[in-house]
Amino acid sequence: GDSVTQMEGPVTLSEEAFLTINCTYTATGYPSLFWYVQYPGEGLQLLLKATKADDKGSNKGFEATYRKETTSFHLEKGSVQVSDSAVYFCALSDSHKAGTASKLTFGTGTRLQVTL
Amino acid sequence: DGGITQSPKYLFRKEGQNVTLSCEQNLNHDAMYWYRQDPGQGLRLIYYSQIVNDFQKGDIAEGYSVSREKKESFPLTVTSAQKNPTAFYLCASSMGTGINQPQHFGDGTRLSIL
Repeated sequence: GDSVTQMEGPVTLSEEAFLTINCTYTATGYPSLFWYVQYPGEGLQLLLKATKADDKGSNKGFEATYRKETTSFHLEKGSVQVSDSAVYFCALSDSHKAGTASKLTFGTGTRLQVTL
Repeated sequence: DGGITQSPKYLFRKEGQNVTLSCEQNLNHDAMYWYRQDPGQGLRLIYYSQIVNDFQKGDIAEGYSVSREKKESFPLTVTSAQKNPTAFYLCASSMGTGINQPQHFGDGTRLSIL
């Protein structure tokens, strides 16, 4: 079955440091890939997505490139801020049947803590 | 502003009691979903619905029930058969079917057992 593996957290960085959160996946088809962010006590917000190999998703300074050869979708940001402290989830959508809903398979989440 | 509204934010259940979590969306989305989130784990799919009057079980449907009588509403009932209901419950919706459709989430309901 489909699965998503994320690096374990927490990740603790100083403000303005470079961020990488690793994500690899297993899927039987050609999935779409997503990064979601969850702030304390809230639901998930879509951060970025990529729908085919070599696509780069980007938003708010975050980037991730869909690498089919390494089945990876690592999240990066050049300079993190305290306000980026949250839990980040990698997810894939791989519908095996035409017309079925876009069910998501999530990783376990990586907590990021940014300090001054 | 369009969005997904979940209520209540916090809910307490007594042993042997059924409780219903509300989820309403005004995004005109066809598909809706319920997830359960436990500490240190990812989200697990409970039920999903692609259209009105139709829904399917997800990965952990036992002890839960849903209905989809209106496009904008997808309530989740946690029954007494769910022996470990304490969790954070998230409702989501998407424009339609298809793997490229991102899901939009509500702010969640935290359910605890008294």
